[in-house]
Amino acid sequence: NAGVTQTPKFQVLKTGQSMTLQCAQDMNHEYMSWYRQDPGMGLRLIHYSVGAGITDQGEVPNGYNVSRSTTEDFPLRLLSAAPSQTSVYFCASSYSRGDAFFGQGTRLTVV
Amino acid sequence: AQSVAQPEDQVNVAEGNPLTVKCTYSVSGNPYLFWYVQYPNRGLQFLLKYITGDNLVKGSYGFEAEFNKSQTSFHLKKPSALVSDSALYFCAVRSYGQNFVFGPGTRLSVLP
Repeated sequence: NAGVTQTPKFQVLKTGQSMTLQCAQDMNHEYMSWYRQDPGMGLRLIHYSVGAGITDQGEVPNGYNVSRSTTEDFPLRLLSAAPSQTSVYFCASSYSRGDAFFGQGTRLTVV
Repeated sequence: AQSVAQPEDQVNVAEGNPLTVKCTYSVSGNPYLFWYVQYPNRGLQFLLKYITGDNLVKGSYGFEAEFNKSQTSFHLKKPSALVSDSALYFCAVRSYGQNFVFGPGTRLSVLP
């Protein structure tokens, strides 16, 4: 039982490049979410999904795209990276009222 | 709308002393309340949760939290702090079927 697996752990992008952060869970959770963590701001919700084929925007969705074709996977796409997207990104999954399980995070730097 | 406040950016406590990390929340409906801990360069780890039942919730590593509905608070406590408890602590709230909302975090430093 691997829990929530995020890849890569570290990434450096140039402004304007695109990339996909991968997230997979093996707990059959219906809820999956992406957060970004910035100093002093806690975790802010980017996008979330309540099941395969269903996604919605969170607090800070601009510049990001998601899809949920399977229960297990929830990739986050950066369409055209900007320095303001330098952050630590966390994927999480949960049942509808349970606690969330988090991945180890992706530290992204955009130069 | 749901919201969480953690009024202290930093809490310092001497090893062996009791510690409290404060959290207040706002949510429509019955709240599900959580505490998570984050060690450097790691993801968030679940400590404890309140869903229903006894207002005093016990969790991992000797931590506990008390749900106070009238004060809309869910403070994290530990009777005797350890240096290894030094970390970033997040309070979170959700309603049934809703997303988590996290507080800004409180950095706990336990001094030897």
